[in-house]
Amino acid sequence: AQSVSQHNHHVILSEAASLELGCNYSYGGTVNLFWYVQYPGQHLQLLLKYFSGDPLVKGIKGFEAEFIKSKFSFNLRKPSVQWSDTAEYFCAVNARSGAGSYQLTFGKGTKLSVIP
Amino acid sequence: DGGITQSPKYLFRKEGQNVTLSCEQNLNHDAMYWYRQDPGQGLRLIYYSQIVNDFQKGDIAEGYSVSREKKESFPLTVTSAQKNPTAFYLCASSPGLAGGPFTDTQYFGPGTRLTVL
Repeated sequence: AQSVSQHNHHVILSEAASLELGCNYSYGGTVNLFWYVQYPGQHLQLLLKYFSGDPLVKGIKGFEAEFIKSKFSFNLRKPSVQWSDTAEYFCAVNARSGAGSYQLTFGKGTKLSVIP
Repeated sequence: DGGITQSPKYLFRKEGQNVTLSCEQNLNHDAMYWYRQDPGQGLRLIYYSQIVNDFQKGDIAEGYSVSREKKESFPLTVTSAQKNPTAFYLCASSPGLAGGPFTDTQYFGPGTRLTVL
């Protein structure tokens, strides 16, 4: 079965620190990759996505992610975090199964706390 | 103002009672989804629908039922057969591209927190 692993449950950083959140998946075929973010009290929303082309994708609010196919990874990065980046971040992977059906699997999420 | 609405925000029910959670979207999206979010578990798919009058089971469909009689509405019923119904329920929709379900961006509602006493 397809699985998505987010390595860190809770990350605490000071403002201006660099961020990297890990995401690894188990499926070996063609995948679509997403990072969603849930700010406190707000709806879950898309941060960025990768479907094809340049493996380095840029999203909103200065976030970027790099798809490394050989490592089955799609890590999220930001050079300098702000207090307003405090949120929970979810990696999600869509893949087509051998039976021809699609499956979207979310990771368990990483809570980011940024200290002013 | 386009978006997804879920009502109510908080819902309390006694054990053994069925309860229906509302989800409405005015984004003209074809596909709609229901997820359950538990602390430390991420999101798990309950049901999804690619088109009116059609829906498919997700990973944890047991104890739940849905209907899709209108494009804009996808209500979820939590039945008494669901062994652990207390959770946060999220509804989402997506345009429904030809590439297949889940291939496009999903837009989420604010969620309903269900507590079964």
